[in-house]
Amino acid sequence: QQPVQSPQAVILREGEDAVINCSSSKALYSVHWYRQKHGEAPVFLMILLKGGEQKGHDKISASFNEKKQQSSLYLTASQLSYSGTYFCGTGVNNNDMRFGAGTRLTVKP
Amino acid sequence: NAGVMQNPRHLVRRRGQEARLRCSPMKGHSHVYWYRQLPEEGLKFMVYLQKENIIDESGMPKERFSAEFPKEGPSILRIQQVVRGDSAAYFCASSRDTGAGTEAFFGQGTRLTVV
Repeated sequence: QQPVQSPQAVILREGEDAVINCSSSKALYSVHWYRQKHGEAPVFLMILLKGGEQKGHDKISASFNEKKQQSSLYLTASQLSYSGTYFCGTGVNNNDMRFGAGTRLTVKP
Repeated sequence: NAGVMQNPRHLVRRRGQEARLRCSPMKGHSHVYWYRQLPEEGLKFMVYLQKENIIDESGMPKERFSAEFPKEGPSILRIQQVVRGDSAAYFCASSRDTGAGTEAFFGQGTRLTVV
């Protein structure tokens, strides 16, 4: 079952914040976040495991609400380099990973 | 430690021909995923394999598509009798295992164009 991401697209000015959401209709084992630049491969950002933990590095962090079967990615004080399409990948069990349709983030100067 | 290697990077096939896409996972990785991505769209799961086993092929079209991951050598995604609708970028990802906290790394993709 493919997770649902929202919003589909967001446009920011440098320095603004953004939140990207990912939800599933099934109980989740893990959530993965990736960023893909145009014409390139998706690049791993972070993994979150069930237990409601929050992770982050630099100004990008994420939370995982196991009960709500949701994860959110937080981008703080966005930079031009943050532009790209963000995908969440959800693991329902140990065996597979399905991706959402992606959220296209554009950061303008 | 080389990353996930996919080849060819670009592949052009005429309608009706066969396309073979190769994916060599990272060293030490025994799990491979294949995804298809149409222009401006998301990653669509196709198949998940471990060495010599297909674990989940629920995303694969029932006809013309097959995948394998032999004991030795790369994983192969094979598309027989290609049609224009098969034109897409095909990405593979590999992971060390599927235990908790295991990230998957993507190859650069193969861009298939059917003419």
